[in-house]
Amino acid sequence: QQQVKQSPQSLIVQKGGIPIINCAYENTAFDYFPWYQQFPGKGPALLIAIRPDVSEKKEGRFTISFNKSAKQFSLHIMDSQPGDSATYFCAAGGWMLTFGGGTRLMVKP
Amino acid sequence: DADVTQTPRNRITKTGKRIMLECSQTKGHDRMYWYRQDPGLGLRLIYYSFDVKDINKGEISDGYSVSRQAQAKFSLSLESAIPNQTALYFCATSGADTANYGYTFGSGTRLTVV
Repeated sequence: QQQVKQSPQSLIVQKGGIPIINCAYENTAFDYFPWYQQFPGKGPALLIAIRPDVSEKKEGRFTISFNKSAKQFSLHIMDSQPGDSATYFCAAGGWMLTFGGGTRLMVKP
Repeated sequence: DADVTQTPRNRITKTGKRIMLECSQTKGHDRMYWYRQDPGLGLRLIYYSFDVKDINKGEISDGYSVSRQAQAKFSLSLESAIPNQTALYFCATSGADTANYGYTFGSGTRLTVV
């Protein structure tokens, strides 16, 4: 089973801080790296995704950094807000995704 | 209406009972998946189907079975529920084209086996 390792499991930051969540993958054939955001009582929803031909992608306050040689990618949330409090999952793959273990983020007011 | 609808939203059942979780979608996607979510373990794949005639086991299929009744419907059954199947279950769909790998998830079914 191809693994995707995600860290940390939980994270607490103050409003305005920049939480960073990291993921590492094993399979060099993976060509799609999405992040999902999940609020309590809801299913995960696609937040942002990157392909291995670029090293960074920004969408609003969310940025993915991608290091192909290290087989790692990370999610940065700029100017974090209490409304960003959620569980975040990284995933890797192609037509089939393998998910990381999730990070529970709390942004304190 | 939601793109991916799961029923029931919550269910409590007794050990040894058979239970079915249902999923229907209006996305028009061919591919459907069942995942299980446990704290700290992320989302683990139970079964997946690429079309009505295609059913494949995932990482943790033991104790589960599925039925793809139509392109839009994919059901998960627990033949004889056991307490360690207590979890949050998600159905997801995806398109088949390479530009659209994103999954759309349902809102989940919280299953408790007592």
